[in-house]
Amino acid sequence: EDQVTQSPEALRLQEGESSSLNCSYTVSGLRGLFWYRQDPGKGPEFLFTLYSAGEEKEKERLKATLTKKESFLHITAPKPEDSATYLCAVQAAGGSNYKLTFGKGTLLTVNP
Amino acid sequence: DTAVSQTPKYLVTQMGNDKSIKCEQNLGHDTMYWYKQDSKKFLKIMFSYNNKELIINETVPNRFSPKSPDKAHLNLHINSLELGDSAVYFCASSQDGRGGGYTFGSGTRLTVV
Repeated sequence: EDQVTQSPEALRLQEGESSSLNCSYTVSGLRGLFWYRQDPGKGPEFLFTLYSAGEEKEKERLKATLTKKESFLHITAPKPEDSATYLCAVQAAGGSNYKLTFGKGTLLTVNP
Repeated sequence: DTAVSQTPKYLVTQMGNDKSIKCEQNLGHDTMYWYKQDSKKFLKIMFSYNNKELIINETVPNRFSPKSPDKAHLNLHINSLELGDSAVYFCASSQDGRGGGYTFGSGTRLTVV
């Protein structure tokens, strides 16, 4: 069964204090690994897709990286508006497997 | 213009009642999903439809029945509601089943009392 474990569960940073979120996964053949952002009372919002080890994607202050066992979401010089829950999900390869398996998320709080 | 819209946003009902949640997407996507987010914020897939055909049916009680009248709509009907059904239910859609293309609705918070 596909599994996704995210750490830490919660992270509190000062504005400008860079850090990383971790996503460890177990999947029977990876089609893709995905990062989403979820704000309170809203649905998850897509950030990145990573398909193979060594791949990196960047968007503003966020950079996602992928190895064969885990992914990192690096946050450089965060701002208060980056506060949200960040979700990692995997999709297994093969057939018509459309489902995403999500981790429990990391709640990021950035204080001004 | 909302891409994936769910109604209602909030639903409070008594145990034993039957209720429905509606979802519509205007993105032209082929695949739609229902996910459940429990009190621990854990998102778990329930159902998926591709071009009106059921392709994923996770271990969900048969009190839950999805219905897709066309590929732009996926409704969720729940019979004999139980306290444990309280959660936030998210509808999502994607093109070709690729996870990166998932667009989520804003969720329906169901509270069973």
